[in-house]
Amino acid sequence: GENVEQHPSTLSVQEGDSAVIKCTYSDSASNYFPWYKQELGKGPQLIIDIRSNVGEKKDQRIAVTLNKTAKHFSLHITETQPEDSAVYFCAASPGYSTLTFGKGTMLLVSP
Amino acid sequence: GAVVSQHPSWVICKSGTSVKIECRSLDFQATTMFWYRQFPKQSLMLMATSNEGSKATYEQGVEKDKFLINHASLTLSTLTVTSAHPEDSSFYICSAEQGFDEQYFGPGTRLTVT
Repeated sequence: GENVEQHPSTLSVQEGDSAVIKCTYSDSASNYFPWYKQELGKGPQLIIDIRSNVGEKKDQRIAVTLNKTAKHFSLHITETQPEDSAVYFCAASPGYSTLTFGKGTMLLVSP
Repeated sequence: GAVVSQHPSWVICKSGTSVKIECRSLDFQATTMFWYRQFPKQSLMLMATSNEGSKATYEQGVEKDKFLINHASLTLSTLTVTSAHPEDSSFYICSAEQGFDEQYFGPGTRLTVT
């Protein structure tokens, strides 16, 4: 089955800096890669996703890049703000509704 | 759009009793819903996949007789934890699928069994 590795487990940045979280996956059949933000005590919120037919997708300060050859994808957050502090999960899906999640990255943005 | 609700948000029950958690897709219909369990500082663990009108598919190691799932309509799935024990205490989160593979999560239910 699919295996998703996520790094780093913790990331501390200063407000205004950029943050990058990286994930690798094992199943070459995976074609859908969402990113979720989870605040303490809440459910995960879908913040951006990408499908295998594109290499990059942007939404304001958030972007995701995908390298299918290397089987890795990354989340980029620019101009970080304290409210970006949360746990971020990447996931991969080969279809058939199954998502395999990474172990999460705790992002801490200091004012 | 794509809002999923859960009820209750937290529940405390006594050992041996049963608890039902509801998951609703508020602004879309979901043929497929999912139930996850999350331990502190860990990732989401898929418990089961439910399809409207059919039996749920449970992940390996999940007791189907303990965690009863019913997906009776396109907007409602329920998880019943039967004969709950302290080890069942956890954060339970549902998600609903909209479109192809896109899962939208509910806010979660904190279950504490005393």
